[in-house]
Amino acid sequence: NAGVTQTPKFQVLKTGQSMTLQCAQDMNHNSMYWYRQDPGMGLRLIYYSASEGTTDKGEVPNGYNVSRLNKREFSLRLESAAPSQTSVYFCASGKEGGQRPQHFGDGTRLSIL
Amino acid sequence: RKEVEQDPGPFNVPEGATVAFNCTYSNSASQSFFWYRQDCRKEPKLLMSVYSSGNEDGRFTAQLNRASQYISLLIRDSKLSDSATYLCVVMQNYGQNFVFGPGTRLSVLP
Repeated sequence: NAGVTQTPKFQVLKTGQSMTLQCAQDMNHNSMYWYRQDPGMGLRLIYYSASEGTTDKGEVPNGYNVSRLNKREFSLRLESAAPSQTSVYFCASGKEGGQRPQHFGDGTRLSIL
Repeated sequence: RKEVEQDPGPFNVPEGATVAFNCTYSNSASQSFFWYRQDCRKEPKLLMSVYSSGNEDGRFTAQLNRASQYISLLIRDSKLSDSATYLCVVMQNYGQNFVFGPGTRLSVLP
């Protein structure tokens, strides 16, 4: 049982490059979330999707876009990476709507040079 | 003021010790409270919910004080495997807002 799978696990980008972080869950959950975690800041919600076909901004959405491709997959895109986006990114899923995450992926460690 | 605050630690305690963490929250309308555990370079995992009357799960006891707007986590008889960062999480607006604290790091020493 894979749970929540994120790819890639590590990535280094140059300022201005773009990339997409992929996330998939196999628990038939309705809600999916993208968080970033920075030292001393706790996890901060970037975007969430309460159900297939819907997405909403979280606390720190600037510089990111998301796509809820289907019930299983929720991707996060950085169109023009900036050093301030260096962080650890976690995808999560939950049975319920709203913003309560229950299962997290392993995380993606992203460095922007 | 941050919505959820925690002492970052680290708390360095010997095996067998009792250790307690506090977490304060600023929104008095917060409804539900949780403790998550995060191992180094791993994802957060739910440790326990915090109920109004206080609750216990083995060596772990969680308490809520709504009047003073804080929650606590007590760990008795600490094990080496308890070493981790403990995240306080507050749910607001009936699940529409789920705020993580910055975490408190615990190191249990042999």
